[in-house]
Amino acid sequence: NAGVMQNPRHLVRRRGQEARLRCSPMKGHSHVYWYRQLPEEGLKFMVYLQKENIIDESGMPKERFSAEFPKEGPSILRIQQVVRGDSAAYFCASSPKRDRGPDTQYFGPGTRLTVL
Amino acid sequence: AQSVTQLDSQVPVFEEAPVELRCNYSSSVSVYLFWYVQYPNQGLQLLLKYLSGSTLVKGINGFEAEFNKSQTSFHLRKPSVHISDTAEYFCAVTLYNFNKFYFGSGTKLNVKP
Repeated sequence: NAGVMQNPRHLVRRRGQEARLRCSPMKGHSHVYWYRQLPEEGLKFMVYLQKENIIDESGMPKERFSAEFPKEGPSILRIQQVVRGDSAAYFCASSPKRDRGPDTQYFGPGTRLTVL
Repeated sequence: AQSVTQLDSQVPVFEEAPVELRCNYSSSVSVYLFWYVQYPNQGLQLLLKYLSGSTLVKGINGFEAEFNKSQTSFHLRKPSVHISDTAEYFCAVTLYNFNKFYFGSGTKLNVKP
């Protein structure tokens, strides 16, 4: 399955450490989205990126969170100085280049972050 | 603002029985609607989507959904469920040329033998 790849699948961090989550989109996809899923909740949009550009980060917390999608390599979601409330599943999705209209987003398996 | 409501957090059903998972949305503009399924410890898999055209949409694994604009609903149905359908189902909406999906809180379908 050459779908969206995320690693690591599980990540454990202590409070105050940094977490780096990686996402490789499907081949041919140039749009990447990050979502967070808290326990017993649906997915909440965080950020939308294209290569080297952040298009919409309206769902990102103002502090400690950042995202990038470099020209080469995977997209990275970075959480600095993690706190227990950051414990969640983080999903990446990708879609192909879009001229108009909505595109289906294809999701990766997620990274489950646990903050001790 | 857009929002999605899945009225049932859990739906227990016996194998081979029909099932309907409800989804309602609120939006002041036209929306596009999706259903995704999430198996334990996995990502989301697209079941079906409504973009335009026929309001009855057929998806994978025998699921279908009907878009009802007047009732702002997009309920998911299957006439006969299998044990393997046990999973969590998410309804999502997005807008034309919009970047983000809005997800409901999910419905856990538990199919019993």
